[in-house]
Amino acid sequence: QKEVEQNSGPLSVPEGAIASLNCTYSDRGSQSFFWYRQYSGKSPELIMSIYSNGDKEDGRFTAQLNKASQYVSLLIRDSQPSDSATYLCAVRRNNNDMRFGAGTRLTVKP
Amino acid sequence: EPEVTQTPSHQVTQMGQEVILRCVPISNHLYFYWYRQILGQKVEFLVSFYNNEISEKSEIFDDQFSVERPDGSNFTLKIRSTKLEDSAMYFCASSDDLAGEQFFGPGTRLTVL
Repeated sequence: QKEVEQNSGPLSVPEGAIASLNCTYSDRGSQSFFWYRQYSGKSPELIMSIYSNGDKEDGRFTAQLNKASQYVSLLIRDSQPSDSATYLCAVRRNNNDMRFGAGTRLTVKP
Repeated sequence: EPEVTQTPSHQVTQMGQEVILRCVPISNHLYFYWYRQILGQKVEFLVSFYNNEISEKSEIFDDQFSVERPDGSNFTLKIRSTKLEDSAMYFCASSDDLAGEQFFGPGTRLTVL
């Protein structure tokens, strides 16, 4: 079983729609969860962190965490073409390392 | 806004040569990391560093790799004898606490010929 699993996509949504990105993880002791955005040829850019169960909102982004189900999601409201990128889910385990999923490629069509 | 910087942006080397990749973490951060991303693949953790020593390393980080904080600002990754399969983007990251958010530098593209 992969440590951090994401649907590779591509996920295509029309401009203005809600994009929903999902991630599951295998290590039940994981403590911290992060969403990064990566444009082609660029480095990961932090979007949000979430540490406790529930929802966390920041502007158009909402992260959701369910530790019992070992599930993290990211919702992007009012999607814009500039949101087109690969979204990386990252999970920090009990020790001091962070594992990434393979990423979901999102395309927002004008 | 403070940011992580990395040099060089692109390094080309011959197989078997040593390379040193350099990073300047965000100035008040205490935790430093190296990751790599082979083209088309996921970002992979290599090593974390705190208080002048390695705190965690992955199975990738074998004896060919070493890290160092030679002064108060730089953080380096050395690959002693490069292999073709070391060709990748290498990202440095830093955070201000153990559980905190990690901020990535722009990366160094390493090409081993």
